[in-house]
Amino acid sequence: SQELEQSPQSLIVQEGKNLTINCTSSKTLYGLYWYKQKYGEGLIFLMMLQKGGEEKSHEKITAKLDEKKQQSSLHITASQPSHAGIYLCGADKSGNTGKLIFGQGTTLQVKP
Amino acid sequence: SQTIHQWPATLVQPVGSPLSLECTVEGTSNPNLYWYRQAAGRGLQLLFYSVGIGQISSEVPQNLSASRPQDRQFILSSKKLLLSDSGFYLCAWSVLGPDTQYFGPGTRLTVL
Repeated sequence: SQELEQSPQSLIVQEGKNLTINCTSSKTLYGLYWYKQKYGEGLIFLMMLQKGGEEKSHEKITAKLDEKKQQSSLHITASQPSHAGIYLCGADKSGNTGKLIFGQGTTLQVKP
Repeated sequence: SQTIHQWPATLVQPVGSPLSLECTVEGTSNPNLYWYRQAAGRGLQLLFYSVGIGQISSEVPQNLSASRPQDRQFILSSKKLLLSDSGFYLCAWSVLGPDTQYFGPGTRLTVL
């Protein structure tokens, strides 16, 4: 079955630094979702990628899906304390079914 | 705009007691609805999904059941809770199957 592996598991960066979180799939991704979660709260949708080579940006966050559609990266530029949280990548389990599987998450701390 | 509600926010229940968690969505019609569980060490896992009233699909065998008595209401139940049912339960909705899913604030369940 398809699995999503995120790296790193946790990350501590100084405010203002750039960082990248990776999400790798064992199978082709039909839809890749990035979410952010504060501990004990629901998931906040960030971005969705569907096409190979696609790249989307929102404020200081950029997400990319590689051409083979098996790896995605989330890049944060000039990190701020407000970026702290758990970042989760999710993908459609069997291709356009709406059944998502998720990576284990990457916990980000930003030191002021 | 659409909003999703879950209650209760937190719940502490003894082993063997029944469970009922509720999720309601406002501002949309005929949404797809999902129940996820986030447990320590096991990530975020899809439990049930529903494409319409009375239509429930189970993703993993477990001690839980789901029902959808109304178009925008999704209920997660158990007749007898187990310790392993502890976790953070999240409800989500989407317009269509492969579309972006939006999550509720979650219910923290502790079974003692």
